[in-house]
Amino acid sequence: GAVVSQHPSWVICKSGTSVKIECRSLDFQATTMFWYRQFPKQSLMLMATSNEGSKATYEQGVEKDKFLINHASLTLSTLTVTSAHPEDSSFYICSAPDRGRTDTQYFGPGTRLTVL
Amino acid sequence: AQKITQTQPGMFVQEKEAVTLDCTYDTSDQSYGLFWYKQPSSGEMIFLIYQGSYDEQNATEGRYSLNFQKARKSANLVISASQLGDSAMYFCAMREGHTNAGKSTFGDGTTLTVKP
Repeated sequence: GAVVSQHPSWVICKSGTSVKIECRSLDFQATTMFWYRQFPKQSLMLMATSNEGSKATYEQGVEKDKFLINHASLTLSTLTVTSAHPEDSSFYICSAPDRGRTDTQYFGPGTRLTVL
Repeated sequence: AQKITQTQPGMFVQEKEAVTLDCTYDTSDQSYGLFWYKQPSSGEMIFLIYQGSYDEQNATEGRYSLNFQKARKSANLVISASQLGDSAMYFCAMREGHTNAGKSTFGDGTTLTVKP
């Protein structure tokens, strides 16, 4: 099946630093990618929709200046957590629907961010 | 607004038996897609099965089947012949529309434990 990769799989950083997370669709093109956040034992919360060639669409309550999203190509979207703080510690997951299909969604393996 | 309800925080099933995980949804849209995902302890979201709102037949994928009752707005997942490897968190999700660019809303999840 189609594969979506995320890098890094985990990261530990100091408060105040910025962290970039990459999401790649490896064998298909994705004009749209989604970024989610998941706290332990909780559901996935959609943060933003990443659109190739245009600005991302953020969900209500998500700070666009703090969570910068860039959809650089049909296979790559990046999420940058700027000036990270301990409350940003979470599991971040991207998903990339194959634009040729409507009946499935592919998720990356997730990135666990810990801010000290 | 779309809403997904999973009323079973945890479920137990004996190995080789069948189990049903409940999911109800609320939407005013006519066009939508329903998904089930499995999330093992590793954190990766694994797509299991999809049902479109206009599909008249219940979806099946191997040991997974989706009991779609549109009038009751329910989309229960049935896992037949449970295996120990089925122990995981299961999420029901609803995607807006029938294109793969639609946003998804997730339920709170059900933790399934398969007993040997």
